[in-house]
Amino acid sequence: AQSVSQHNHHVILSEAASLELGCNYSYGGTVNLFWYVQYPGQHLQLLLKYFSGDPLVKGIKGFEAEFIKSKFSFNLRKPSVQWSDTAEYFCASKGGGGNKLTFGTGTQLKVEL
Amino acid sequence: GAVVSQHPSRVICKSGTSVKIECRSLDFQATTMFWYRQFPKKSLMLMATSNEGSKATYEQGVEKDKFLINHASLTLSTLTVTSAHPEDSSFYICSAAGGERTYNEQFFGPGTRLTVL
Repeated sequence: AQSVSQHNHHVILSEAASLELGCNYSYGGTVNLFWYVQYPGQHLQLLLKYFSGDPLVKGIKGFEAEFIKSKFSFNLRKPSVQWSDTAEYFCASKGGGGNKLTFGTGTQLKVEL
Repeated sequence: GAVVSQHPSRVICKSGTSVKIECRSLDFQATTMFWYRQFPKKSLMLMATSNEGSKATYEQGVEKDKFLINHASLTLSTLTVTSAHPEDSSFYICSAAGGERTYNEQFFGPGTRLTVL
């Protein structure tokens, strides 16, 4: 079975600090990778996704993620966070040709003014 | 992006009753819909996958007789929690996928908070 691990459960940053959230996946074959964000009281929204090609993926709101196949990683980054980035972030993978997403446990990010 | 709605957003019910949650794709045809359960401070756990016009595929450990899923049309799937008990209290989220607009991506509904007294 596939698994996704997110190492940071809670992250607190000051505005303008740089962000990196770790994500490792287990599936050894062709994999699709996703980062979702869930703002307080809102539904999951897609930040970015990787299917193939350039391993550095740029998403919405200044986020980017890098697919490193040798490390089974897909870390999320943002050079300068804002207070409005306070949310829960989920990494997810899809592999083996199926439609099912496997989610990590999520990282709660709090950005302080 | 594609829009998915859920109804109701919150429901409180007595133990032993059944609760139906609707998931609708508003601007696209969803050939596949997924039902997740999210526990506090935990990840989303996939409960089942439903394809329009066929029986749902349940994940291991999910009781299909307790969580009835119907995907009768390309825009509607329902989850019925039968004979609900307090341990069924949770946040239930659906997602939908299908068609060229949503190829290879799931779009999520806002979730339904179920509280069983």
